[in-house]
Amino acid sequence: KNQVEQSPQSLIILEGKNCTLQCNYTVSPFSNLRWYKQDTGRGPVSLTIMTFSENTKSNGRYTATLDADTKQSSLHITASQLSDSASYICVVRGGGGNKLTFGTGTQLKVEL
Amino acid sequence: DVKVTQSSRYLVKRTGEKVFLECVQDMDHENMFWYRQDPGLGLRLIYFSYDVKMKEKGDIPEGYSVSREKKERFSLILESASTNQTSMYLCASSPSIPTPTDTQYFGPGTRLTVL
Repeated sequence: KNQVEQSPQSLIILEGKNCTLQCNYTVSPFSNLRWYKQDTGRGPVSLTIMTFSENTKSNGRYTATLDADTKQSSLHITASQLSDSASYICVVRGGGGNKLTFGTGTQLKVEL
Repeated sequence: DVKVTQSSRYLVKRTGEKVFLECVQDMDHENMFWYRQDPGLGLRLIYFSYDVKMKEKGDIPEGYSVSREKKERFSLILESASTNQTSMYLCASSPSIPTPTDTQYFGPGTRLTVL
């Protein structure tokens, strides 16, 4: 069964600190992996997308990594800001029918 | 910028009512999707459409139907709302011919409460 598991479920950090969110998946065959940011009361917005051949991709203070061998991805946030408070969702495309499998998200709160 | 709009941000209905959720996108996308999002379960696909008047069942279609009479508009219908359909409903659209890097653009969501 195709699954995407994210950890931690929730996280609280102080403004200015770094953090790393994890995503493990069992989707096979693999097509791509995307990280979304979802602000409270809003729809998800794409941050990064990674295909099989990509190991690292950055978008400003967000850096995603992918290890296709171990089927793991991480999202690293540098110098966090209050506006980073959101849910971060890992989504993997692949498997039969090349469908999307969504993780349940990591709820990040950045405090002063 | 792609814009996906949903007719209501918040909706409260009673059990047994017929509920319409509307979604409109302005980027001429062929593909449109309806998801529901529940705590601890992530997004789950209800229905999707690859073209006008076409519809395909997603993972959890029971209790729902959809309509796509125009390319830009995709409606989700709850024929007889039940309390277990209380949820956040998200609409998304994407261009045709899914590629390895295709992006789905999401609307702001409709939080539906069924009493």
